[in-house]
Amino acid sequence: QSALTQPASVSGSPGQSITISCTGTSSDVGGYNYVSWYQQHPGKAPKLMIYDVRHRPSGVSNRFSGSKSGNTASLTISGLQAEDEADYYCSSYTSSSTWVFGGGTKLTVL
Amino acid sequence: QVTLRESGPALVKPTQTLTLTCTFSGFSLSAYGMCVSWIRQPPGKALEWLALIDWDDDKYYSISLKTRLTISKDTSKNQVVLTMTNMDPVDTATYYCARLDYSLKYFENWGQGTLVTVSS
Repeated sequence: QSALTQPASVSGSPGQSITISCTGTSSDVGGYNYVSWYQQHPGKAPKLMIYDVRHRPSGVSNRFSGSKSGNTASLTISGLQAEDEADYYCSSYTSSSTWVFGGGTKLTVL
Repeated sequence: QVTLRESGPALVKPTQTLTLTCTFSGFSLSAYGMCVSWIRQPPGKALEWLALIDWDDDKYYSISLKTRLTISKDTSKNQVVLTMTNMDPVDTATYYCARLDYSLKYFENWGQGTLVTVSS
């Protein structure tokens, strides 16, 4: 099972919006609406930010949103804040009844 | 409140077998739909899904690591155990356990992780 493809890094200035892509195949991202996104600050455990492509858990800012088109899912963060600087990982359930993560994207807030 | 905590050796030698324990509270692994999964992260690298055990004792493994992994549960102790055989330095990583509901398929709660170093 190959990892999902994410850009290694993205950056943006405070107040701007950024989008992180996550590309898989029809056996994972494209085949199910089971894409989730996780935020990870250095030395910390990942935190769930988006589930089922576009749903936010309670307590997660509405500045975070998710979408999917075909085999590519996306995470958009609007109104960038310094605290958003972190690594972001996508994940998808697969047709093999397993899970796969993306390679991770480092977000820098300039 | 759901909590998970990983425990195990910080250092193992190459070829040894690693045994990690996830001790959890705030949910029952015998409840319908409940699952616990193991995920690891080598230093500076990405997350990698390893294994999952569900409420019905069904087990799922990473295809690439299937031959080396065994996951089990002790419902009475609220624990899930992962064993990984034939450890290699490339297996050096922080190992996390996480809770999910099988019908929802996302990792809702995570432990803080435990760093395992493989070195002679």
